[in-house]
Amino acid sequence: QVQLVQSGVEVKKPGASVKVSCKASGYTFTNYFIHWVRQAPGQGLEWMGVINPSGGGTTYAQKFQGRVTVTRDTSTNTVYMELSGLGSEDTAVYHCARESGSLDYWGLGTLVTVSS
Amino acid sequence: QAGLTQPPSVSKALRQTATLTCTGNSNNVGDQGAAWLQQHQGHPPKLLSYRNNNRPSGISERFSASRSGNTASLTITGLQPEDEADYYCSAWDSSLSAWVFGGGTKLTVL
Repeated sequence: QVQLVQSGVEVKKPGASVKVSCKASGYTFTNYFIHWVRQAPGQGLEWMGVINPSGGGTTYAQKFQGRVTVTRDTSTNTVYMELSGLGSEDTAVYHCARESGSLDYWGLGTLVTVSS
Repeated sequence: QAGLTQPPSVSKALRQTATLTCTGNSNNVGDQGAAWLQQHQGHPPKLLSYRNNNRPSGISERFSASRSGNTASLTITGLQPEDEADYYCSAWDSSLSAWVFGGGTKLTVL
């Protein structure tokens, strides 16, 4: 069965960077794009970017341009999302999601807390 | 960047029918259609329908989606207590080259 397993809780100080992983299994990794979506406490869903695991090409939301980097490792079927210059407004649950025309499978999410 | 527009909340009685709406434009909902996601508190979103009215396997027939122009709708019949959740619409925006979401509708089952 399709699974997206994400890394654990992160606590970071303002100005730091965080790197969250998303390990895919149960399907051919290179056949489906992986998106990153975050959700601040009590708020809605916010799209951050997408990677094509086959070629590594990425597209990022304008809001995060220059601050987010999504990469993949095809040897371990893992996608990484790194967000730099963290501020308190980046405190959120970060989800990876597989796309098959729509976002059909989601990771459980990784809570990132930014606090001094 | 611009997102999709959903009413913040809808309340309906048990066993009644709820219709949730999502308004976008010709670059997103009006182009590729919308997908609908259900999210219970503390859980990741779950796909309910895609490309307007295709249901993934395991999703109840009580959930049906449609589209008219730039507005997508999700209809839930025979409301059950477990339907109480947040519902999000989503679509790819070809103009922004970005995935866009609605702000979400909190459905309360009375």
